[in-house]
Amino acid sequence: AQTVTQSQPEMSVQEAETVTLSCTYDTSESDYYLFWYKQPPSRQMILVIRQEAYKQQNATENRFSVNFQKAAKSFSLKISDSQLGDAAMYFCAYRTFQGAQKLVFGQGTRLTINP
Amino acid sequence: GAGVSQTPSNKVTEKGKYVELRCDPISGHTALYWYRQSLGQGPEFLIYFQGTGAADDSGLPNDRFFAVRPEGSVSTLKIQRTERGDSAVYLCASSLTGTGFNEQYFGPGTRLTVT
Repeated sequence: AQTVTQSQPEMSVQEAETVTLSCTYDTSESDYYLFWYKQPPSRQMILVIRQEAYKQQNATENRFSVNFQKAAKSFSLKISDSQLGDAAMYFCAYRTFQGAQKLVFGQGTRLTINP
Repeated sequence: GAGVSQTPSNKVTEKGKYVELRCDPISGHTALYWYRQSLGQGPEFLIYFQGTGAADDSGLPNDRFFAVRPEGSVSTLKIQRTERGDSAVYLCASSLTGTGFNEQYFGPGTRLTVT
């Protein structure tokens, strides 16, 4: 079974600075998807960014980018120019490429933005 | 258009009671997922529907939990003889289809408290 580990329960960053959230995962599959989700206090999970494992290029979405290291099974999220609205819980998630559609989530990292 | 909605937003029930949690997916989405998020944890998969049928129910913890989607749209998660350990946020998500990559859109969840 696949597992996802987020070793940073909490992180904080100054507004406008850059922060990196860590995620590692374990799988025997070669093709899969990886995601970062944001969960504000409203509880609604919002997709931030995704990465297909077969793509070597790291995904980027505006201020959000990932560092995908397939051999190391590492998938970190970098947030540049942090904004107060970025404060939330962040979850790393894994999904197999074919078959089961379920997402496997990590434990989450609570990100605080200091003004 | 409207997103995924879940009712009720909060539910408090006594130990041993029966509860139903409702999920209205995005119109036209054939795939629907239920997850359970315990306090301080990431969501855990419960069950996945493709149309009216449960394609994967491997995450249901025991036979007290049951879910239906009789017309391929609205889904109801049913919990019998509730226990205090069932207290959690129950998240529902839907996606256009269950094959290939299709983003899962989440609802705001139902917070269930068993006293």
